[in-house]
Amino acid sequence: AQSVTQLDSQVPVFEEAPVELRCNYSSSVSVYLFWYVQYPNQGLQLLLKYLSGSTLVKGINGFEAEFNKSQTSFHLRKPSVHISDTAEYFCAVKNTGFQKLVFGTGTRLLVSP
Amino acid sequence: GAVVSQHPSRVICKSGTSVKIECRSLDFQATTMFWYRQFPKQSLMLMATSNEGSKATYEQGVEKDKFLINHASLTLSTLTVTSAHPEDSSFYICSARDRDRYGSNEKLLFGSGTQLSVL
Repeated sequence: AQSVTQLDSQVPVFEEAPVELRCNYSSSVSVYLFWYVQYPNQGLQLLLKYLSGSTLVKGINGFEAEFNKSQTSFHLRKPSVHISDTAEYFCAVKNTGFQKLVFGTGTRLLVSP
Repeated sequence: GAVVSQHPSRVICKSGTSVKIECRSLDFQATTMFWYRQFPKQSLMLMATSNEGSKATYEQGVEKDKFLINHASLTLSTLTVTSAHPEDSSFYICSARDRDRYGSNEKLLFGSGTQLSVL
């Protein structure tokens, strides 16, 4: 079975500063990895995903993530955040052979002026 | 473009009543839909997976008689919370998988969620 760990429940950062949201996963088989963003009282929106190939994945809104197989990590980064990036971010993993997405507990990104 | 429409966005009901939540795929057909439950400041927990035309598969610990799921067409799945109680209050989110995109090209879209409050 797969599992996802997001160690930081909340990350405060100032506007225009860089940010990294950490995600580690565990799985005995090949996986797909995802980052989703959730704004208050809304569903989830896909930011980016890693399926195969280049380990550096670029997504929407200036976010990128790097897949590190040896460290079983898939950290999300943005070089300069905006106030509008304030939201909940979820890392998720899926076995390439199954349908079910397993989510981490989420990280709340709080961007202040 | 392809979106998942979920209604209602918010519902308040009395204890003992039943509530139906609809999830529709727009501009695509969804053979599989997923229903999640999210408690405040927590992650999404998968409740059940529904495939069009067949019975839903429930996750361990989810009462199938309590949370009735119907996936009668390729564009509509419903979740009915029967005899709702205050402990059923939660944020419910559906997601749908595009029938025509699979494998590495798979596309999973989420609804905007339903906040259920049972008084």
